[in-house]
Amino acid sequence: GDSVTQMEGPVTLSEEACLTINCTYTATGYPSLFWYVQYPGEGLQLLLKATKADDKGSNKGFEATYRKETTSFHLEKGSVQVSDSAVYFCALNNQGGKLIFGQGTELSVKP
Amino acid sequence: DAEITQSPRHKITETGRQVTLACHQTWNHNNMFWYRQDLGHGLRLIHYSYGVHDTNKGEVSDGYSVSRSNTEDLPLTLESAASSQTSVYFCASSESFQQDTQYFGPGTRLTVL
Repeated sequence: GDSVTQMEGPVTLSEEACLTINCTYTATGYPSLFWYVQYPGEGLQLLLKATKADDKGSNKGFEATYRKETTSFHLEKGSVQVSDSAVYFCALNNQGGKLIFGQGTELSVKP
Repeated sequence: DAEITQSPRHKITETGRQVTLACHQTWNHNNMFWYRQDLGHGLRLIHYSYGVHDTNKGEVSDGYSVSRSNTEDLPLTLESAASSQTSVYFCASSESFQQDTQYFGPGTRLTVL
């Protein structure tokens, strides 16, 4: 069945460092891909999405490109801030609107 | 502004009791979903609904039930709570299928003693 695999955390970075969180997927057909973010004590909120191959999603300085050839959707940011500390979830939506999530990657950014 | 709310935010109950978690959305979305979040597992789908009177089982539906009597609400019932159901529960809704964003509620932390 469909699945999503993320790099394990926690990831600890200094402010202004570069961030990459790896995400790969297995799916039949042509899924849409998402990154959701969960701040402490809150629900999930959409960070960015891409609906077809080679699409790039971007928001708040984060980017991810839908790579069909490598079945990947890696999350990147050039310069992280303390306020980016959160748990990041990669997800796909392939059949009937149901999301399949990766296990989440906790990011901690130190001043 | 449209929103999705969950209640209660925190609940402690005992093994064997029936528990109902509420989810209410004002987006007027057809699709609603219940997930549970556990460390190391991400979020896993419990039940979902595509509209009034429609309900479907997800990946981890055993011990849970839902009913959809109107567009706005999808309550989740634990028929006989077990310690393995201690988790954080999230409700979500979306307007349509494949491409559309799901909007999440703030979550309910349930502890079963």
